[in-house]
Amino acid sequence: DVVMTQSPLSLPVTLGQPASISCRSSQSLVSSDGNTYLIWFHQRPGQSPRRLIERVSNRASGVPDRFSGSGSGTDFTLKISRVEAEDVGVYYCMQGTHWPRTFGGGTKVEIK
Amino acid sequence: EVQLLESGGGLVQPGGSLRLSCAASGFIFSNYDMTWVRQAPGKGPEWVSSISGSTDIIYYADSVKGRFTVSRDNSKNTLFLHMNSLRAEDTAVYYCEWGSRGQSWFGPRGQGTLVTVSS
Repeated sequence: DVVMTQSPLSLPVTLGQPASISCRSSQSLVSSDGNTYLIWFHQRPGQSPRRLIERVSNRASGVPDRFSGSGSGTDFTLKISRVEAEDVGVYYCMQGTHWPRTFGGGTKVEIK
Repeated sequence: EVQLLESGGGLVQPGGSLRLSCAASGFIFSNYDMTWVRQAPGKGPEWVSSISGSTDIIYYADSVKGRFTVSRDNSKNTLFLHMNSLRAEDTAVYYCEWGSRGQSWFGPRGQGTLVTVSS
């Protein structure tokens, strides 16, 4: 199985400051169709997860442009340019290239 | 607008069975793979199973293989998850999602359906 490793596990951030989360996969996520199925989700306390970014860098509908995704192969990053209070919660990366689909362990973002 | 409405969750004893349903609308159901994802309390999401639109390709997580069966009724735009030999570790909120690669999962949606396995 492809192991998805996120870091850090916990990320205290200051409002208005940038934040960055790393996600590394144990195998390349480049699919045979040429796409890289690396997805980012955000889960606020008490809510269902919500899709943020799909295929590395494509923001889902309604996602603010302060969120951006980058990376290739096995190394990916989610960046928040200026953290807002509503950005707290847990962020998960997930790969949709290989079976079984696998998620990272999550990064908890909290305000300092 | 894609809508996915899960139902069928509840409290069941260890070793028991349950059938989850997911009513889909807003897209051509038969054209898409469908997937079940679950999230245990305090844990991250876990992929459970995916089924192709024509039902000829099915995958299961090792944790549920041999106990869970995914199926679909394309005439009724409905996805099912038949769960047998339930264990405490199957306790989770179960979500149905369209597609199997994740890029369409967890859009604006409801709360899934909670399955609690306990005596």
